[in-house]
Amino acid sequence: DAGITQSPRHKVTETGTPVTLRCHQTENHRYMYWYRQDPGHGLRLIHYSYGVKDTDKGEVSDGYSVSRSKTEDFLLTLESATSSQTSVYFCAISEGLAGAWETQYFGPGTRLLVL
Amino acid sequence: KQEVTQIPAALSVPEGENLVLNCSFTDSAIYNLQWFRQDPGKGLTSLLLIQSSQREQTSGRLNASLDKSSGRSTLYIAASQPGDSATYLCAVNTINKFYFGSGTKLNVKP
Repeated sequence: DAGITQSPRHKVTETGTPVTLRCHQTENHRYMYWYRQDPGHGLRLIHYSYGVKDTDKGEVSDGYSVSRSKTEDFLLTLESATSSQTSVYFCAISEGLAGAWETQYFGPGTRLLVL
Repeated sequence: KQEVTQIPAALSVPEGENLVLNCSFTDSAIYNLQWFRQDPGKGLTSLLLIQSSQREQTSGRLNASLDKSSGRSTLYIAASQPGDSATYLCAVNTINKFYFGSGTKLNVKP
């Protein structure tokens, strides 16, 4: 299994509070991604990173920010959590080959409940 | 924008049956298509990856096909087993972005 960990694995928080989720990889892969998974929507890309300090938005980036100060760590911050951000959050990594062999490896997920 | 659709959303079959899961996508400019398995409360595990130049890939009882021009892929599972019960997702890769379908939840009854 690819070395990807996410912390925390479960979190309950209140509306309006900031929340930070961490993804850590030991594979030295260039690309890192944050997705959210909700029933009926599959996985939707929030933000991704293509290198240290290089990030870009995905399709559902409103209300989220990210940072990547080291190759191995990618942080997702909910600036002011809302109930609509209750979801399961997955981190993924890929080598960034931009080709037909490119694949993603997923972390175990973080379950976030915003009350 | 790439749209990925999976049909059916859920499927229940008796053990031993052969079955087909479907995936369609709207933009044929892809590098590859991948099928993943997700068990309840877990992350995604890659099952098969088909490059855009390939027509199919096989792994054990699984066979995935790709028709890029029509925007379709199928995952064939032979002789299904209760251990195959999970959600199956397909994803297409376009320039380091991956677009996912919402999955097919499979239940194989003993």
